Amino acid sequence: DGGITQSPKYLFRKEGQNVTLSCEQNLNHDAMYWYRQDPGQGLRLIYYSQIVNDFQKGDIAEGYSVSREKKESFPLTVTSAQKNPTAFYLCASSVAGGVYEQYFGPGTRLTVT
Amino acid sequence: GENVEQHPSTLSVQEGDSAVIKCTYSDSASNYFPWYKQELGKGPQLIIDIRSNVGEKKDQRIAVTLNKTAKHFSLHITETQPEDSAVYFCAARDLNQGAQKLVFGQGTRLTINP
Repeated sequence: DGGITQSPKYLFRKEGQNVTLSCEQNLNHDAMYWYRQDPGQGLRLIYYSQIVNDFQKGDIAEGYSVSREKKESFPLTVTSAQKNPTAFYLCASSVAGGVYEQYFGPGTRLTVT
Repeated sequence: GENVEQHPSTLSVQEGDSAVIKCTYSDSASNYFPWYKQELGKGPQLIIDIRSNVGEKKDQRIAVTLNKTAKHFSLHITETQPEDSAVYFCAARDLNQGAQKLVFGQGTRLTINP
């Protein structure tokens, strides 16, 4: 089965702790993206990567970090510097470094208390 | 950069009727406009998209229209069914400063009443 997997589906952390969200794809896509979704709002771009070992900040990168060491993996770390980390996090990928036809994973709901 | 506005935020229609969701965008250079459907607790699913070289695209009960002059595009769902109930997002490609990314609208919660 080809697709994007995110794990875990639900994640709970205490305030002040860093947490890493996993995103893996076997679609052979070059580009990968991380979005944040808050209730009643659209998707906001955190980071994106168009090629291995390269990534760019999106609109709300503060308090987050990423790495892209492998084509199929794009983990997101939510650091303790992120003031409001509780949200639904979505990973997406697309072909050839372009934006066309982005495909999303099932998401991870992070709750920080 | 690109800005996308989506209306309405909620829409309720009777089963069998049509639903229309509208979006406007700010960057006239934008050339790709997808629509996503998101069911509760799941990731968005691409349902239809349109490029700036066409004015309309259809896929069974779903259609998207694009007016480049007015910088708006719309999603049309005909003969609505209960399974069409979901949140729908429009998006536009952002080409600002060489960045290649999507900018999303705020979403429309569509409810189909039986």
